[in-house]
Amino acid sequence: AQSVTQLDSQVPVFEEAPVELRCNYSSSVSVYLFWYVQYPNQGLQLLLKYLSGSTLVKGINGFEAEFNKSQTSFHLRKPSVHISDTAEYFCAVNAANTDKLIFGTGTRLQVFP
Amino acid sequence: GAGVSQSPSNKVTEKGKDVELRCDPISGHTALYWYRQSLGQGLEFLIYFQGNSAPDKSGLPSDRFSAERTGGSVSTLTIQRTQQEDSAVYLCASSLLRDQGYTFGSGTRLTVV
Repeated sequence: AQSVTQLDSQVPVFEEAPVELRCNYSSSVSVYLFWYVQYPNQGLQLLLKYLSGSTLVKGINGFEAEFNKSQTSFHLRKPSVHISDTAEYFCAVNAANTDKLIFGTGTRLQVFP
Repeated sequence: GAGVSQSPSNKVTEKGKDVELRCDPISGHTALYWYRQSLGQGLEFLIYFQGNSAPDKSGLPSDRFSAERTGGSVSTLTIQRTQQEDSAVYLCASSLLRDQGYTFGSGTRLTVV
């Protein structure tokens, strides 16, 4: 069975600083990987996804993530955050032998002025 | 429709009553998913529909929970004899292809008092 670990429940950062949100997964088969963002009182919105090919994927709002197969990681990064990036971020994995996404517990990104 | 629509957006019910939560997926999306999000928790998978069939209902917490989908479109999640621990945000998502990720609705916030 696959699983997703987001070790950081909260990440505080000042505006214009870089940020990295960590995600590690476990799976015995190939996977698709996703990052979603949830703004207050809203549903989840897809930020970016890794399916195959280039390990560096770019998403919306200036976010990017790098797939590292040897470390089973898919960390999310942004070089300079904005106040509006304050939200909950979820990493998710879809293993090749299943039809459902398994989500991590989320990381609350709080951007301070 | 343009997005995934869920109703009601908020529901307060008394312990022991039955509730029905509705999800209207994006037109043409064959896959539909229900998740539950509790305070401080990640997203807990409940059930997955492909068309009107539910090949994976492994996440339903008890036999008080049931779901159906009709016409390959609208889905209803029913919780019988609600308990306080059922209080959560219930999220619905739909998808056309596995590698496209999901489109989520804004959720139904259920409060059992």
